[in-house]
Amino acid sequence: GENVEQHPSTLSVQEGDSAVIKCTYSDSASNYFPWYKQELGKRPQLIIDIRSNVGEKKDQRIAVTLNKTAKHFSLHITETQPEDSAVYFCAASKAGSARQLTFGSGTQLTVLP
Amino acid sequence: EAGVAQSPRYKIIEKRQSVAFWCNPISGHATLYWYQQILGQGPKLLIQFQNNGVVDDSQLPKDRFSAERLKGVDSTLKIQPAKLEDSAVYLCASRELRGGQSSYEQYFGPGTRLTVT
Repeated sequence: GENVEQHPSTLSVQEGDSAVIKCTYSDSASNYFPWYKQELGKRPQLIIDIRSNVGEKKDQRIAVTLNKTAKHFSLHITETQPEDSAVYFCAASKAGSARQLTFGSGTQLTVLP
Repeated sequence: EAGVAQSPRYKIIEKRQSVAFWCNPISGHATLYWYQQILGQGPKLLIQFQNNGVVDDSQLPKDRFSAERLKGVDSTLKIQPAKLEDSAVYLCASRELRGGQSSYEQYFGPGTRLTVT
């Protein structure tokens, strides 16, 4: 089955700096890669996603890049703000009606004011 | 649109007791998932339904866990008997099926935090 590895497990940055979180996946058939943000005690919320026919996608301060050859994808957050502090999870999914998500282990991002 | 609803939000039970969780997905979402999220880890899929049928329950510990979605809408997840290692947040998620084509995004409920003592 699919295996998703995520690094780093914790990340502290100064407010205004950039943050990068990296994930690798094992199944070359995976074609959908979402990123979820989970604040303490709350539900995971989708912040951005990318499909395998695209190499990069950007939404304001958040961007995701995908390297299918190397089977890795990354989340980039620029101009970080304290409200960006949360746990971020990457995930991977294959085509087909099941579209099951395999999640990484999460990154605790702390933005220091 | 209303989100995925779950209840209860918190539950504390002793080991060997039984417990049930309820999920109401977003209206019209055919696919429903139950995940287990242990503290400090990513969600792990337990079972997936499409309408009222099970798509995948390969990771469900069937000796103690069961789930159903009888009318293709609400779902319940039951644990009987509970073990200490079942302490986790149980998340329900749903996904839309549009005209036979499945969408990608899963919407999560707030979860039920289970503590087994």
